[in-house]
Amino acid sequence: AQSVTQLDSQVPVFEEAPVELRCNYSSSVSVYLFWYVQYPNQGLQLLLKYLSGSTLVKGINGFEAEFNKSQTSFHLRKPSVHISDTAEYFCAVSDLEGGSEKLVFGKGTKLTVNP
Amino acid sequence: NAGVTQTPKFRVLKTGQSMTLLCAQDMNHEYMYWYRQDPGMGLRLIHYSVGEGTTAKGEVPDGYNVSRLKKQNFLLGLESAAPSQTSVYFCASSPRTSLFFGEGSRLTVL
Repeated sequence: AQSVTQLDSQVPVFEEAPVELRCNYSSSVSVYLFWYVQYPNQGLQLLLKYLSGSTLVKGINGFEAEFNKSQTSFHLRKPSVHISDTAEYFCAVSDLEGGSEKLVFGKGTKLTVNP
Repeated sequence: NAGVTQTPKFRVLKTGQSMTLLCAQDMNHEYMYWYRQDPGMGLRLIHYSVGEGTTAKGEVPDGYNVSRLKKQNFLLGLESAAPSQTSVYFCASSPRTSLFFGEGSRLTVL
């Protein structure tokens, strides 16, 4: 069974600093990869996704992620964060051979942006 | 646009009671899902459906049942609630890849 590892459970940063949230997945087959964001007391919203093509994916709110097949990673980055980016971020993967209709989520990374 | 709507949003149950969570989507999506979210555990898939009349087990199906009698609705049932089922439950729908989530239903079992 595939799995997703988010290497940091909490990431504190100062406003306007760059941030990278790390994600590694276990599957060695072709995959779809996603990052979702959850603001307090809300559901999850899609930030960005990788289905195929360019390995650098741009999403909403200035976030981007890079798919690295050899390292089985899909790290999320933002060059300059805002207070409003404080939220929990989830990486997710679905493998095309196992049935792409199922997503497996990581345990989440809580990003706290301090003034 | 309603998107994915979950009812109820909050519920407190006593051990052994039963209840049903309703998920409704207005986007004509084929796939629907129920996840539970617990602190430090991320989201875990309970059951899912790839179309009207079909259901399948996810990662943590024990103690739950589901039904998808209509394409737009996906019901999650707890026949005999246990304290271990205290959680926040999220429904999601999908046309194939990206999931669209509801705002969650917070369930407490005493």
